[in-house]
Amino acid sequence: DVKVTQSSRYLVKRTGEKVFLECVQDMDHENMFWYRQDPGLGLRLIYFSYDVKMKEKGDIPEGYSVSREKKERFSLILESASTNQTSMYLCASSLGPSNSGANVLTFGAGSRLTVL
Amino acid sequence: AQSVTQLGSHVSVSEGALVLLRCNYSSSVPPYLFWYVQYPNQGLQLLLKYTSAATLVKGINGFEAEFKKSETSFHLTKPSAHMSDAAEYFCAVLYSGAGSYQLTFGKGTKLSVIP
Repeated sequence: DVKVTQSSRYLVKRTGEKVFLECVQDMDHENMFWYRQDPGLGLRLIYFSYDVKMKEKGDIPEGYSVSREKKERFSLILESASTNQTSMYLCASSLGPSNSGANVLTFGAGSRLTVL
Repeated sequence: AQSVTQLGSHVSVSEGALVLLRCNYSSSVPPYLFWYVQYPNQGLQLLLKYTSAATLVKGINGFEAEFKKSETSFHLTKPSAHMSDAAEYFCAVLYSGAGSYQLTFGKGTKLSVIP
């Protein structure tokens, strides 16, 4: 089975801190995604990547950046954390091709970030 | 813009009763459709998917969903609820038309099962 690992399950940070959320997948998937999940809002796409060193903005990229230096690793960066970024962050990966109905997402367990 | 509507943010059923979770999508072309489930403190996992083969799709744990193009719906059902079905369920739609790839999720329906 594909495994998507998010190294930090729970984080507490202070306003203005730089935050790194790491995600690693172990099945050579092409595509990787970062979502945030908030009650009543469902999942919203922050950024995604189809290949190494490639990134695309999702629906809510403001305040975030990403890095994909290696195929298996996709990092989400909050340059200066704010309280409205308190949320559950979910990483996902998929094999591709990107517009295929077989392109099922495999999710990590999530990283719950609290910004004080 | 594409959209997915899940009717009811919270649904409660008795153990052994029918589960019906509703999902409607906006689309002028046939989409790919998915249901994901999220158990407490876990990520999402795939329940089932529709990819233009049979309109009735069977998934894991006894769930199934029927694609109805005329109603633009993809409702999730299970004949008899079990306590272990308590979770949050997300409908998602992928459009295969031109343009960048994006999977759109509904806002989720939290299912409670009453003993």
